[in-house]
Amino acid sequence: DVVMTQSPLSSPVTLGQPASISCRSSQSLLQSDGNTYLSWLQQRPGQPPRLLIYKISNRFSGVPDRFSGSGAGTDFTLKISRVEAEDVGVYYCMQVTQFPVTFGQGTKLEIK
Amino acid sequence: EVHLVQSGGGLVQPGGSLTLSCAASGFTFSAYWMTWVRQAPGKGLEWVANIKQDESEKYYVDSVKGRFTISRDNAKNSLYLQMNSLRAEDTAVYYCVRSVTAEYWGQGILVTVSS
Repeated sequence: DVVMTQSPLSSPVTLGQPASISCRSSQSLLQSDGNTYLSWLQQRPGQPPRLLIYKISNRFSGVPDRFSGSGAGTDFTLKISRVEAEDVGVYYCMQVTQFPVTFGQGTKLEIK
Repeated sequence: EVHLVQSGGGLVQPGGSLTLSCAASGFTFSAYWMTWVRQAPGKGLEWVANIKQDESEKYYVDSVKGRFTISRDNAKNSLYLQMNSLRAEDTAVYYCVRSVTAEYWGQGILVTVSS
């Protein structure tokens, strides 16, 4: 199974400042079709998760452009350019390149 | 607008059975893989199972193989998860999710396995 490792596990951020979360996979997520199926999810307190980013860097419908994804192979990053209060929650990376689908442990984003 | 409305959760004794349902609307259900994901209390996300559009492929996490069965009824726009031989460690909020890439999520439903 592909192991997904996130860092940091907790990230206190000042409103209006940037935030960055790293995700590393135990093997390359590049699939034979040329795509890399690495996604980022946000889970606000008390809510279901929500897809933010798919295939490394594609923002899903309705996701603000302050969220961006980058990376390749085994190393990926989610960046928030200016953190807002509504961004508080837990962020997960997820790989769907191979079954079983696996998630990172989650990174808790909180406001300082 | 995409909606995934879940039902069927609750309290069940160890060794018991439960079936979760997910009613889909707002999209062509028969065109998408569907997924079940769970989240134990205070824990992270765990993928449980996937099913292809025509049910020709199904995949399960090792911990539920032989106990859980994923199925769908495209005529009823519905997804199911039959859970047998339930264990305490199956206690979680279960989410119905559209596609393998997790585009849309249901509201989640709590399954508690306890005597």
